[in-house]
Amino acid sequence: GQQVMQIPQYQHVQEGEDFTTYCNSSTTLSNIQWYKQRPGGHPVFLIQLVKSGEVKKQKRLTFQFGEAKKNSSLHITATQTTDVGTYFCAGPWGNKLVFGAGTILRVKS
Amino acid sequence: DVKVTQSSRYLVKRTGEKVFLECVQDMDHENMFWYRQDPGLGLRLIYFSYDVKMKEKGDIPEGYSVSREKKERFSLILESASTNQTSMYLCASRTGTESYEQYFGPGTRLTVT
Repeated sequence: GQQVMQIPQYQHVQEGEDFTTYCNSSTTLSNIQWYKQRPGGHPVFLIQLVKSGEVKKQKRLTFQFGEAKKNSSLHITATQTTDVGTYFCAGPWGNKLVFGAGTILRVKS
Repeated sequence: DVKVTQSSRYLVKRTGEKVFLECVQDMDHENMFWYRQDPGLGLRLIYFSYDVKMKEKGDIPEGYSVSREKKERFSLILESASTNQTSMYLCASRTGTESYEQYFGPGTRLTVT
């Protein structure tokens, strides 16, 4: 079956530093989604990428979908304490979504 | 706004008990999902349903069953709870269209003692 690998598992940054999480799929994806889960909360949809090489921005967050549609990244510029949480990527597999294990981001102020 | 609600935020049960976790969504979504979340393992799919009375096994269905008698409600059943089923359980729903965006409920933290 499809597998989605995500690295790093954990990252601890100083406030103001940049952060990147990477996602790799074992198969070509029709689209990829990103979710954020705050501590004690539930995953919340951030964005969906569909096109090969697509880049989308949401304020300080930049999302990229690889040319081969098998990898993706989320980059946060100048992290803030409000960015803490776990970031998941997910790719469709039939009627399901297959989630990466997530990257836990901690921000030191 | 889509709302997905779960019957309990916290639940403590004894080994061997039958446990029911309820999930309700208010957006007429066709698809509903049950996940469990454990540290370092991400979100693992237990069961999903794409229509009333329809269900499919996910990646870790052993020890669980589900019921979907009405479109808005999807129940997860632990037939005989065991300590290794202590976890966070998340319900999600989405439409049947091409968008795969899922809406999650707040989660139920189940402890089996």
